[in-house]
Amino acid sequence: GESVGLHLPTLSVQEGDNSIINCAYSNSASDYFIWYKQESGKGPQFIIDIRSNMDKRQGQRVTVLLNKTVKHLSLQIAATQPGDSAVYFCAGSGTSGSRLTFGEGTQLTVNP
Amino acid sequence: DVKVTQSSRYLVKRTGEKVFLECVQDMDHENMFWYRQDPGLGLRLIYFSYDVKMKEKGDIPEGYSVSREKKERFSLILESASTNQTSMYLCASSSPGGRGRTDTQYFGPGTRLTVL
Repeated sequence: GESVGLHLPTLSVQEGDNSIINCAYSNSASDYFIWYKQESGKGPQFIIDIRSNMDKRQGQRVTVLLNKTVKHLSLQIAATQPGDSAVYFCAGSGTSGSRLTFGEGTQLTVNP
Repeated sequence: DVKVTQSSRYLVKRTGEKVFLECVQDMDHENMFWYRQDPGLGLRLIYFSYDVKMKEKGDIPEGYSVSREKKERFSLILESASTNQTSMYLCASSSPGGRGRTDTQYFGPGTRLTVL
């Protein structure tokens, strides 16, 4: 079945550096992907999304890259700040309707 | 902005009790979802609903039921709570996306349920 997974459970960066969080998926028919940020004790917060007809999308300090050939997407955070410390996870559309399949998450820690 | 609210942030119940978790969204979304989130297991879908009075089982529906009497409200019911249902419960909603497309799911703040 469909699976979405992250490459690293934890990532530690220095404040001001760029962060890259990776995600792989198995369903080549997935046509929609989302990145969420979840702070401790809170619900997941939408960051950015991308559809399969694109390979790159940019937001404020964030960029999502989609490589359909190798079924891989990444979230890049520019000039990482302490407030970016959280768990980040990706999600992809599944085989039916509006369901999403979620990865487990990468804990990003930003060191001052 | 989309707003999804959940009735309680923290809840403590005893084994065997009937538990109701309420979720309300204010964006007129057709789709609503209930997940549970556990360390090492990620988000797992319990039930979802595409419309009023409509429900579909997710990946782990055992021990749960749901109710969707109004479009904006989706309730998760634990008929007889057990200790293995201690978890973070997250509600989400989304628009239908159109033509089978998936759309963004927006989450509530979560309810941390402890069953003693």
